[in-house]
This record gives sequence, structure tokens and C-alpha cells, in this order.
Amino acid sequence: AQSVTQPDIHITVSEGASLELRCNYSYGATPYLFWYVQSPGQGLQLLLKYFSGDTLVQGIKGFEAEFKRSQSSFNLRKPSVHWSDAAEYFCASGFGNEKLTFGTGTRLTIIP
Amino acid sequence: EPEVTQTPSHQVTQMGQEVILRCVPISNHLYFYWYRQILGQKVEFLVSFYNNEISEKSEIFDDQFSVERPDGSNFTLKIRSTKLEDSAMYFCASTTTLRYGYTFGSGTRLTVV
Repeated sequence: AQSVTQPDIHITVSEGASLELRCNYSYGATPYLFWYVQSPGQGLQLLLKYFSGDTLVQGIKGFEAEFKRSQSSFNLRKPSVHWSDAAEYFCASGFGNEKLTFGTGTRLTIIP
Repeated sequence: EPEVTQTPSHQVTQMGQEVILRCVPISNHLYFYWYRQILGQKVEFLVSFYNNEISEKSEIFDDQFSVERPDGSNFTLKIRSTKLEDSAMYFCASTTTLRYGYTFGSGTRLTVV
């Protein structure tokens, strides 16, 4: 069965520090991969996506993610976080036009 | 930028009542979805809809649930007889094709009392 794993439930980083959120997928082939962000009480906003080509993808708000086939990973990174980045981050994957499968999310807390 | 619009933003209903959650997907999108998120939990797939019919549904999407696209613009989710465990945030999404990602609405928070 398809699955997406986000091993970190909660991460705390200092403002200005770098960030990496982990995501691993389990599929027979390379799926489409996505990162979404959810602020409290809000909807899901697409940060970035990967479906083929360059394995380092750039997204909105200064985020990037790197697809590593050998590790079945699609980790999200940001070189310097801002207090406004505090939110829940979801990794998701899917094939064709099938449903997205979401990970359980990582809650990001930023400390001054 | 085009948006997916969901109404209402918050609905409170009594157990056993019927509710209809409404969504207006982006106009040129072809695939439509409902997801739900119980408070503090992951986002779960409910149903996908394409070419005026359900293309896939989850185990959650039992006979109490139905979807419709009655007029070419609205996309509705009906829960016939709500249960306490239906309390969740319900998200509508649409896309032209998955490789571009979905656009999600801002959600309807359903509270069953």
C-alpha cells in the first residue's frame, strides 16, 4: 500500500536557523511528491512539487526540497526560518490523477 | 490567483441531521476531491470525482456520504445522518492534473453535537 512517513511530529528551531523536514515515501515507482503548509485553522497551501526532472525543486516562501530516489525521500529545507513559518507541514504523494496520500504532518515551532 | 471556495466556513449540527458542504472548484479544473482532517490528525482522502462520476472512494466514504456536481460549478458533499465522529475539517480540492498539485479550499469545520 502507498504510504508517506514524516518521522518528526514536532520540530522547534530558532528564528534565522536552517530547517529540514523529513519525508519518506513507499511506492513501487516514483510518485508525484508535494509539500503543503497549513497555518492554524487554515487550508492547505502548496509549497512545492516534484514530478520529474531536476531533483532539487524550488517553492514559494524560500523553501526547497530535494528528491532522492535511493533513499525514497523528499525532504523540505529552508536556509533561514522566519517566525511566520510556524505552521504544520504535510508531505504528500500520488500517481496519475489518483488521490493524494498525506503524511501525518510535522508541526514547526519557531523560537525567537 | 484562482481559488477553490468552500461554504460555510463553520457549521454546527445536531447528531442525526443532514448536512451539505459546498465547494466551488476552479473553473477549468477537471478532477475534484473531498478530504477531511479530524482535529490534530492527518488529512484523509474521502472521494474523487471526474467526468460526473465518482472515480475513487475511501472506506470512510460509506452510504452516509454522497457527492454531486449539480450545475457545472458547484461540488457538494452530503452527509445524510451525521455522527459525532464526523466532526472534522472538510477540504475540497480540484486540479487539471495531479502533477500540478491540488488547489485546496480553506475548509469547512463541521461540529456535530
